[in-house]
Amino acid sequence: QKEVEQDPGPLSVPEGAIVSLNCTYSNSAFQYFMWYRQYSRKGPELLMYTYSSGNKEDGRFTAQVDKSSKYISLFIRDSQPSDSATYLCAMSLNSGYSTLTFGKGTMLLVSP
Amino acid sequence: DSGVTQTPKHLITATGQRVTLRCSPRSGDLSVYWYQQSLDQGLQFLIQYYNGEERAKGNILERFSAQQFPDLHSELNLSSLELGDSALYFCASSGGTDITLNYGYTFGSGTRLTVV
Repeated sequence: QKEVEQDPGPLSVPEGAIVSLNCTYSNSAFQYFMWYRQYSRKGPELLMYTYSSGNKEDGRFTAQVDKSSKYISLFIRDSQPSDSATYLCAMSLNSGYSTLTFGKGTMLLVSP
Repeated sequence: DSGVTQTPKHLITATGQRVTLRCSPRSGDLSVYWYQQSLDQGLQFLIQYYNGEERAKGNILERFSAQQFPDLHSELNLSSLELGDSALYFCASSGGTDITLNYGYTFGSGTRLTVV
């Protein structure tokens, strides 16, 4: 079993839809949870950052962490064609300079 | 521009050769990470340096090595290259000077390595 599992997609939705992206993980010691967005042939960019369980909202994006289920989600409201990208979840054990473990990413396609 | 600079952007080389990838971290970041991204494996952690010293090692082959210099830039050396080494290689930096904080990484735009 991989440490972080993520459905590779692609996930195709029409413009304006609510998108739900998810990851499951096996290591209960993970404390920091992040979502990165990666456009084709570009480096990943940090979208959302969450510590421990709970929700965090930033504009059209909401990140949720359920540590009891080892499950994290990213919701995108009013999706736009410019949201078409690969979304990677990432998590780490400790604060400071600990390394991140990434999911393989879910490709999202938002059609006009 | 993320502030993390990687050169070169593209590299085509033959099997058996050696290449060096270079990374300049974001201003103020002391930690540098190297990742390899391939279609089937996703982002795989290779190695981390903090302020010039190796801090963590991931799935890095013995044919690969890295270092971080006093000016904090880092180089990843790949030798005896094989076809399977073809991938995107990303450098990321983090942290600033507060070691208690973990706000994730800032990635560079990567070096696309093609081994023929």
